[in-house]
Amino acid sequence: KAGVTQTPRYLIKTRGQQVTLSCSPISGHRSVSWYQQTPGQGLQFLFEYFSETQRNKGNFPGRFSGRQFSNSRSEMNVSTLELGDSALYLCASSPGDGARTDTQYFGPGTRLTVL
Amino acid sequence: DAKTTQPNSMESNEEEPVHLPCNHSTISGTDYIHWYRQLPSQGPEYVIHGLTSNVNNRMASLAIAEDRKSSTLILHRATLRDAAVYYCILRPYSGAGSYQLTFGKGTKLSVIP
Repeated sequence: KAGVTQTPRYLIKTRGQQVTLSCSPISGHRSVSWYQQTPGQGLQFLFEYFSETQRNKGNFPGRFSGRQFSNSRSEMNVSTLELGDSALYLCASSPGDGARTDTQYFGPGTRLTVL
Repeated sequence: DAKTTQPNSMESNEEEPVHLPCNHSTISGTDYIHWYRQLPSQGPEYVIHGLTSNVNNRMASLAIAEDRKSSTLILHRATLRDAAVYYCILRPYSGAGSYQLTFGKGTKLSVIP
C-alpha cells in the first residue's frame, strides 16, 4: 500500500497570504489528523477528521481550518499567515474505527515558510 | 491531560541494547501506552503500544511496570538508523470516537558508531 502523501512538500508564502495544504491518506483509512511541528512548541495537534466530519480540534486560532472529502483526502487551510505559522505541517491517517490502539501513519510533512 | 515524563536525551553505542524510560504516574486504568519515534527529516512512525503486559514486536519491546506508572522501551541492538526522537504517549479519550495523540518533548537518542 502507498503511504500517506502530502503536497506540496515545501512552500514559501508572505505574511497576510493564505495557504492550502493537501493530504492523501492510506487507502481504506477514514481518519486524518493534522499536526504542527515547530522547534519551540514541538508537535501540536491541530484537528482530526473522520468521514468528512471534524471530530476533534486542538487549541489553535480560527485561522486554521480543514476539511475532508468523501474519498478521505483532506486539506488544511491557514488564512492571514503570520511569521509564527512557519512550521512543518504533518498529516497522519488511521483506520479511524475509534479503537484506542488505532495506529496513526504519518506523511513526510509540508514545510511552510512565512516571510 | 494524562502526562508522560521522559529524559531529554540519551546516548547508546551501536549494537548495544537501549532502555528508554517513561514515567506516567497519572495513567488511568484504560490508557494504553504508545511509543512513536521521529527520525531526522521524517514524520513520526509507530513503534509499539501496550496496556499491562510486556509486548514485543519486530522493532522493539515494551516493559510495563506492574503498577503501570512507568514503562521502558527496549531496543535490543541499537543501530545508527535508530537515532531519533522517541515519544512516549498516552491516549485518553477525547470524545466523538477520537483518541488524540499528544506529543511531549520526547527523548533524543544518539547512537555512537
